[in-house]
Amino acid sequence: GNSVTQMEGPVTLSEEAFLTINCTYTATGYPSLFWYVQYPGEGLQLLLKATKADDKGSNKGFEATYRKETTSFHLEKGSVQVSDSAVYFCALRNRNQGAQKLVFGQGTRLTINP
Amino acid sequence: DTEVTQTPKHLVMGMTNKKSLKCEQHMGHRAMYWYKQKAKKPPELMFVYSYEKLSINESVPSRFSPECPNSSLLNLHLHALQPEDSALYLCASSQVMASAQHFGDGTRLSIL
Repeated sequence: GNSVTQMEGPVTLSEEAFLTINCTYTATGYPSLFWYVQYPGEGLQLLLKATKADDKGSNKGFEATYRKETTSFHLEKGSVQVSDSAVYFCALRNRNQGAQKLVFGQGTRLTINP
Repeated sequence: DTEVTQTPKHLVMGMTNKKSLKCEQHMGHRAMYWYKQKAKKPPELMFVYSYEKLSINESVPSRFSPECPNSSLLNLHLHALQPEDSALYLCASSQVMASAQHFGDGTRLSIL
């Protein structure tokens, strides 16, 4: 079946630190991969996506590269800000199986201290 | 600003009440979704509508009744809910196949 595993949180960093949140997946076929962010009291916002191997998604200084050989989609940012404090969800959507379903990881809570 | 609008933002209801959650999008998306999210957990899929027809029901109890009156609107009718149904209910929309889903800010539901 399809599944997503994220690094366990919470993650606490100082402002301007480098961020990595690990995400690995299990899927047959060719899934699309996503990172969503959820700020306190809000819904999920699409942060970035990649639809095929070696694609790099990027937005607001965040990047993630679709690595088929390691089945990974790690989220990175070079210099985090207090405003990046949120919960981050990695997700996949499998075009071969249940294409309308998003499979989420458990989420990683990120706190950035000034 | 989100492009998927949900109302109300908060709802408190008793176990015998009947209420409805509403969701609206004007992005031309033909797939719409209801999710339930408990605290510190990822969203759980409840229902999917594709071209205004119900395509997925994830074995949701009948006290939750979805409705898709047209391609822009999605409702979730609630009746005789239980305290464990208290959660954040999220609506999302997308193009029908294999694309990103866009979420609203949700309705925070409390069952007394």
